[in-house]
Amino acid sequence: DIQLTQSPSFLSASVGDRVTITCRASQGISSYLAWSQQKPGKAPKVLIYAASTLQSGVPSRFSGSGSGTEFTLTISSLQPEDFATYYCQQLNSYPYTFGQGTKLEIK
Amino acid sequence: EVQLVESGGGLIQPGGSLRLSCAVSGFTVNNNYMSWVRQAPGKGLEWVSVIFSGGSTYHADSVKGRFTISRDTSKNTLYLQMNSLRAEDTAVYYCAREYLTGSSRYFDYWGQGTLVTVSS
Repeated sequence: DIQLTQSPSFLSASVGDRVTITCRASQGISSYLAWSQQKPGKAPKVLIYAASTLQSGVPSRFSGSGSGTEFTLTISSLQPEDFATYYCQQLNSYPYTFGQGTKLEIK
Repeated sequence: EVQLVESGGGLIQPGGSLRLSCAVSGFTVNNNYMSWVRQAPGKGLEWVSVIFSGGSTYHADSVKGRFTISRDTSKNTLYLQMNSLRAEDTAVYYCAREYLTGSSRYFDYWGQGTLVTVSS
């Protein structure tokens, strides 16, 4: 199975900050990586797919990059509604796997 | 409007069985790859099972031999039959559609989740 390692696991930041979350895959997954946001009690919501494609309706302050084994999610200017948990997910091969999550908290 | 509505969760004793349902509106289950994903309380996401548009299935090793994913075309509903349940199966279970576009894929629609608690 392909392991995904996200870092950091916790991130404390302020409104307006620029933040970056990293996801490393245990083997190459081309660009088959998605980033999702999850708020408490809610289902995940996809933000980025194919490593760098912004899902329709998602604000442009979210961006993704990378391919192969190293990927990043960047939020250019944090807004109050962005404080949530973020997951990367590989869709290169089954079983699909998720990173352990990054909880983004208000400083 | 697309909707995925899970049901069937609840409290079940270890060793018991439960069947989860995911009623879909807005697209045809038969024509899509559909998955179940679970999340233990306070933990991360774990992919569980998939049924492909052609009908074949694939399960995570953690549930292989105990869980079975299926669908009912006439009801446009996805199912997860869970047998020999263990405490570690306690989680919120989500159904999700895998959207395939060109050379990429992602889960674009999710249900609201149904909680399964395995405890004596």
